[in-house]
Amino acid sequence: AQSVAQPEDQVNVAEGNPLTVKCTYSVSGNPYLFWYVQYPNRGLQFLLKYITGDNLVKGSYGFEAEFNKSQTSFHLKKPSALVSDSALYFCAVRDIPSGTDKLIFGTGTRLQVFP
Amino acid sequence: SAVISQKPSRDICQRGTSLTIQCQVDSQVTMMFWYRQQPGQSLTLIATANQGSEATYESGFVIDKFPISRPNLTFSTLTVSNMSPEDSSIYLCSGDDRGNTEAFFGQGTRLTVV
Repeated sequence: AQSVAQPEDQVNVAEGNPLTVKCTYSVSGNPYLFWYVQYPNRGLQFLLKYITGDNLVKGSYGFEAEFNKSQTSFHLKKPSALVSDSALYFCAVRDIPSGTDKLIFGTGTRLQVFP
Repeated sequence: SAVISQKPSRDICQRGTSLTIQCQVDSQVTMMFWYRQQPGQSLTLIATANQGSEATYESGFVIDKFPISRPNLTFSTLTVSNMSPEDSSIYLCSGDDRGNTEAFFGQGTRLTVV
């Protein structure tokens, strides 16, 4: 079965420092991977996706993610964190083999950026 | 990308009553999904809303409790029936064109049952 894991419940980083939010995946076939962000009292917003091609994917708000097939990882990164990046981040994979195409979400990682 | 308008944004309801949540998409989408989310937690898929046919429910969710309609490719409703305090949660809808496209989400409905 398709799955993603986010091993960290919370990540703390100082403003201006680089940040990494980790995600590993387990899939049959080619992975369709996504990152979403959720600000307080809001729905999920799409950040970026990996479908095929370049392993380094650039997305919204200066975020990027690196697809690593050998390590089955898709970590979210940003070179310089902002306080406004503080939010809940979800990694997701699309369940292609089941034929449903539904998204399977990780447990989420709360990012806290301190001034 | 498409935009989903979800309403109500929040509600406080008496136990035993029902609440219907609506989602309107500004363009046609292949699929619509309904999720439940406890604050700060991950999303749990309730069902896939199928246009013109009965919704497909995930394990642990049943039609009598969460009836869903999807009369066309831009609109869906979720009803939370005979509510109890355990139904207090955030409910989210999403639109999705499958495959390599990204899903997009409504703003969510924060439901409190008292």
